[in-house]
Amino acid sequence: QQQVKQSPQSLIVQKGGISIINCAYENTAFDYFPWYQQFPGKGPALLIAIRPDVSEKKEGRFTISFNKSAKQFSLHIMDSQPGDSATYFCAASPSGNTPLVFGKGTRLSVIA
Amino acid sequence: EAGVVQSPRYKIIEKKQPVAFWCNPISGHNTLYWYRQNLGQGPELLIRYENEEAVDDSQLPKDRFSAERLKGVDSTLKIQPAELGDSAVYLCASRKTGGVHNEQFFGPGTRLTVL
Repeated sequence: QQQVKQSPQSLIVQKGGISIINCAYENTAFDYFPWYQQFPGKGPALLIAIRPDVSEKKEGRFTISFNKSAKQFSLHIMDSQPGDSATYFCAASPSGNTPLVFGKGTRLSVIA
Repeated sequence: EAGVVQSPRYKIIEKKQPVAFWCNPISGHNTLYWYRQNLGQGPELLIRYENEEAVDDSQLPKDRFSAERLKGVDSTLKIQPAELGDSAVYLCASRKTGGVHNEQFFGPGTRLTVL
């Protein structure tokens, strides 16, 4: 049973465009929703995270939109750059030291 | 501040051989996780430690996998004997206990290839 469903599996965006990656979750106990960025040969790096008490969080070019009633959240990358080309994972967990449940990842390619 | 350190970075072994991975978490991080990442997938938890105590090992295949975290700092994950299906990236992550959010910091991983 996949608790966090991520789409699309891959995404190609023109430089300067907007990249949008979506995730849906099932467990209503989840209350922490991070996005990780992973480059080849590297471990996942925390990009941005949100708690369900807000509907949006923005950090630079990266924005998380959160819809608690629909149990969905998404990552928007504005003005996408070739350096943003990586695999992005959404994740979720209940509060505390609990393990993260990851989506299957989205491979983003930003082309010039 | 140094990040999570893992070694080796790459390991190639033949099936039925033993293998061990080492992790040094970020200083002061009492919670340590071992995740396995199969090709094209997200990481999946194997085991979680709070200090030296394994508090969540339900996903660890205990017939061949073992882990330890002596003195509550460094940790070792062992596979004996390795099988072809164990080929994956083994990631170590750590978290500062008592932090407001569940921020986990990952190491670069050990890529295991079983031939």
